Amino acid sequence: GAVVSQHPSWVICKSGTSVKIECRSLDFQATTMFWYRQFPKQSLMLMATSNEGSKATYEQGVEKDKFLINHASLTLSTLTVTSAHPEDSSFYICSARDVGGNDRGEQYFGPGTRLTVT
Amino acid sequence: GQNIDQPTEMTATEGAIVQINCTYQTSGFNGLFWYQQHAGEAPTFLSYNVLDGLEEKGRFSSFLSRSKGYSYLLLKELQMKDSASYLCAASGSNYQLIWGAGTKLIIKP
Repeated sequence: GAVVSQHPSWVICKSGTSVKIECRSLDFQATTMFWYRQFPKQSLMLMATSNEGSKATYEQGVEKDKFLINHASLTLSTLTVTSAHPEDSSFYICSARDVGGNDRGEQYFGPGTRLTVT
Repeated sequence: GQNIDQPTEMTATEGAIVQINCTYQTSGFNGLFWYQQHAGEAPTFLSYNVLDGLEEKGRFSSFLSRSKGYSYLLLKELQMKDSASYLCAASGSNYQLIWGAGTKLIIKP
């Protein structure tokens, strides 16, 4: 149980275009989902916390107009990188909390999406 | 403030034992997680401690001391596939995870 999927697993796009990444909890309801970014050989950096039905909370330094997050249902959150530039190339990982069970704060991670902007 | 500290990098020999330490300061505490992350992959859950003491799970064990704000992950009989980053995360108030920067473990033959 507690499986999280991400789509796509990798994407290459041209500079100036937008890319949407989907994160789904497959066998549980996730009122809270998290979006992380990880550059090569660096640690996991939390970008934003996404709560179903409300606006996402962004970490300091993350541009909310550039990284659009939508959490429209209890099983789906999307991250859209708008007007992508080469410096946005990174590994984007989502995670979800199963607040319906014995929630202890554990986050279940998706497999990640590798974005390359050319 | 809230803070998690763990060593940046450690090196160990195949077959040996290694202990990765983590100290934490959080407002509210609901447990301590360890995750493993191989290069280019997402983190995977290893262990969870909320009570003081040692939890053993095969070759991996995790220890917690709440009074000291301290945890460690113990890896025995190291294998080359254990080369990875190990992330310590404390569950604070509202069960929000506060992440350490990760410890890169290098296993040498």
